[in-house]
Amino acid sequence: AQSVAQPEDQVNVAEGNPLTVKCTYSVSGNPYLFWYVQYPNRGLQFLLKYITGDNLVKGSYGFEAEFNKSQTSFHLKKPSALVSDSALYFCAVREISGNTGKLIFGQGTTLQVKP
Amino acid sequence: DAGVTQSPTHLIKTRGQQVTLRCSPKSGHDTVSWYQQALGQGPQFIFQYYEEEERQRGNFPDRFSGHQFPNYSSELNVNALLLGDSALYLCASSLAGTATFGSGTRLTVV
Repeated sequence: AQSVAQPEDQVNVAEGNPLTVKCTYSVSGNPYLFWYVQYPNRGLQFLLKYITGDNLVKGSYGFEAEFNKSQTSFHLKKPSALVSDSALYFCAVREISGNTGKLIFGQGTTLQVKP
Repeated sequence: DAGVTQSPTHLIKTRGQQVTLRCSPKSGHDTVSWYQQALGQGPQFIFQYYEEEERQRGNFPDRFSGHQFPNYSSELNVNALLLGDSALYLCASSLAGTATFGSGTRLTVV
């Protein structure tokens, strides 16, 4: 069975500092990996995805993620955090079987960026 | 270009009642998926509709049912509501690609 783990419930970082939100996955075969962000009382907004190709994926709002097959990780990164980046972040993997695009989400990580 | 639209945004129901949530997919999208997000949890897949048929179902009881209309819009129905059904219900649409999510319907069961 495929699964995603986000080991940190919360990440705190000062504005202007680099940030990392961790994600590890467990899949059989090649993974399709995603990051979404959720602001309070809102739905999920797509940030970026890895399907194949370059291990460093660039996405919206200056975010990027590094796919590491040997460590089965897909950590979200940003060189310089903004207070407005404070939100709930979800890592997800697309289920391979069934060809429906079903997403399996992690528990989420709250990012708090302090001025 | 309108994204995914869900209605209502909030509602409160009593245990045992029935509820219907609605979703209009993003223009051009033909597939609709529903997710339940309990407080403090990641979204959990309920089911997916394509060509007006349920294509895949997650681990949810039969009290959860759905429908997709010819214009690709969809409804999620929940019967015999339980307190544990209180959650944010998210609709996502897609066209053989990345899912686009709506803002959700916050259901509170009292």
